[in-house]
Amino acid sequence: QKEVEQNSGPLSVPEGAIASLNCTYSDRGSQSFFWYRQYSGKSPELIMFIYSNGDKEDGRFTAQLNKASQYVSLLIRDSQPSDSATYLCAVNMGGDYKLSFGAGTTVTVRA
Amino acid sequence: DTGVSQDPRHKITKRGQNVTFRCDPISEHNRLYWYRQTLGQGPEFLTYFQNEAQLEKSRLLSDRFSAERPKGSFSTLEIQRTEQGDSAMYLCASSWGPGSEAFFGQGTRLTVV
Repeated sequence: QKEVEQNSGPLSVPEGAIASLNCTYSDRGSQSFFWYRQYSGKSPELIMFIYSNGDKEDGRFTAQLNKASQYVSLLIRDSQPSDSATYLCAVNMGGDYKLSFGAGTTVTVRA
Repeated sequence: DTGVSQDPRHKITKRGQNVTFRCDPISEHNRLYWYRQTLGQGPEFLTYFQNEAQLEKSRLLSDRFSAERPKGSFSTLEIQRTEQGDSAMYLCASSWGPGSEAFFGQGTRLTVV
């Protein structure tokens, strides 16, 4: 079992719709959870982080964390063509800051 | 520019040659990380430093790989006797403390021919 798994893509959504991305992780002791956006050929860019169970909203993005289910998700509301990218889920697997990444989910927003 | 800086951005080398990459982290960050990313995969952890101390190395980091951060500021990653399987994007990231968010540099894309 991989340490961090993301729902397989690609995910295609129409402009204005909600894109829903899911991520599960194997280490129950994980403390910090991050979503990065990566455009083709570019480096990952941090868009959200969440440490506590529940929801965290930042603009059109909402991260949801459920530690009991070892599940973290990202919702992108009012999706725009500029949101088309690969979204990487990253988890801090221990007390220190070594991130383990999922393979990413590619999102395409259709105009 | 106060972001993480990596140099060079692209490197093409012949198999068997040595290459060295440099990373300059955000100035107040004491933690520096190296990752490797291949096409279609997420970044894989290679090694990390707290100040000048190298605290962890991945099993992915063979003996041909060495990293340094001599004064706790910039870091170098050297690959000796490169192989075609070393072709990847090498990413550097920095953070200010445990559990805090890491910020990535633009990466160095290595192609071994």
